[in-house]
Amino acid sequence: DTGVSQDPRHKITKRGQNVTFRCDPISEHNRLYWYRQTLGQGPEFLTYFQNEAQLEKSRLLSDRFSAERPKGSFSTLEIQRTEQGDSAMYLCASSSLAGAAETQYFGPGTRLLVL
Amino acid sequence: DQQVKQNSPSLSVQEGRISILNCDYTNSMFDYFLWYKKYPAEGPTFLISISSIKDKNEDGRFTVFLNKSAKHLSLHIVPSQPGDSAVYFCAAIEGTYKYIFGTGTRLKVLA
Repeated sequence: DTGVSQDPRHKITKRGQNVTFRCDPISEHNRLYWYRQTLGQGPEFLTYFQNEAQLEKSRLLSDRFSAERPKGSFSTLEIQRTEQGDSAMYLCASSSLAGAAETQYFGPGTRLLVL
Repeated sequence: DQQVKQNSPSLSVQEGRISILNCDYTNSMFDYFLWYKKYPAEGPTFLISISSIKDKNEDGRFTVFLNKSAKHLSLHIVPSQPGDSAVYFCAAIEGTYKYIFGTGTRLKVLA
């Protein structure tokens, strides 16, 4: 078990460009989450997948953001027409469906800087 | 509006002493809480959790206490070690999967 991995770890882009991040969850986990963390704040929930189905999207996820998990394994988060306010750490987490509450395991995050 | 609050942004403790990190919440529907530790350039790492049916959960040097009437939980680390220096996040689960995090407390353990 190699844990949750994310790629890239760092991304610098110019305003207006599109970026895509990848998350590979722990292999047997069927739940996958994306969070965003800005300086001085805790992680904020963005979206949740159970297998390939996207079951919830936060209002933080504007129309410029789209997330997919096409085969119920890895997931991608795309930001179109990036803005400076998108600069943040994007965290992915996964868990397995086991009871009413389960522990989410986080990846190392992708740090995005929009110039 | 912050539903999970960590009012102390930082805490310094001498090595070997007890570290106490506090967390308050406003939503009485929350019934499961977790603490995560985060080192720079890494993702949060799960530390310990507690269900609302309990008032204490212990794992080695880490103990979490829950006071439901006060909507307050705390994490005790005894004895504190320099390797414990990190940012600690309290989180509550809304529904069955959505984590609501506090803003974190940076703990520095002084050797």
